[in-house]
Amino acid sequence: DQQVKQNSPSLSVQEGRISILNCDYTNSMFDYFLWYKKYPAEGPTFLISISSIKDKNEDGRFTVFLNKSAKHLSLHIVPSQPGDSAVYFCAASARGSNYKLTFGKGTLLTVNP
Amino acid sequence: EAQVTQNPRYLITVTGKKLTVTCSQNMNHEYMSWYRQDPGLGLRQIYYSMNVEVTDKGDVPEGYKVSRKEKRNFPLILESPSPNQTSLYFCASRNRLAGSNEQFFGPGTRLTVL
Repeated sequence: DQQVKQNSPSLSVQEGRISILNCDYTNSMFDYFLWYKKYPAEGPTFLISISSIKDKNEDGRFTVFLNKSAKHLSLHIVPSQPGDSAVYFCAASARGSNYKLTFGKGTLLTVNP
Repeated sequence: EAQVTQNPRYLITVTGKKLTVTCSQNMNHEYMSWYRQDPGLGLRQIYYSMNVEVTDKGDVPEGYKVSRKEKRNFPLILESPSPNQTSLYFCASRNRLAGSNEQFFGPGTRLTVL
């Protein structure tokens, strides 16, 4: 039972354009959502997060949108840069779950120069 | 530099030979956790620890043990490794009082059990 789903295993975009990575969840108890970026041979690094009381959070080139009614969130990267090429994981946590993060399978983003 | 370190980074072993993967953090975090990453499955939690001497099972604890005798260290122990434990392992930590739910991850340990 996969509670966090990233249905696109890969995404390829041109440098300077927008990258949109999508994530769906099924557990209505999730109240916090995070995006992590992972380069090969490194651990995941935190990128941006959003609480369920918000519908948008922005940090520089990165914006996360949350649609609670659709149980959907997305990460927008504008403009995309070649250094953004990595695997992006969507993760969620629920209050009372002892800080456990439930991860999606990840989306490999390739930004072409 | 604030970080989570893991050792070894790469390990090839044989079935049944006990091994320990060490994890250490220098951020004085109360919470630590172990995950494994497998192709097509994302990261899954193995064990976690809320503080010293407090540990509990995650989603996939079978075949693993942990201990938390000191705040900074959280070793993962495989008493009798089997080939299905071949995986990429990540240790993570967080400040329990932090509002962002962010966990800091180590660089990973790639384990192969023959």
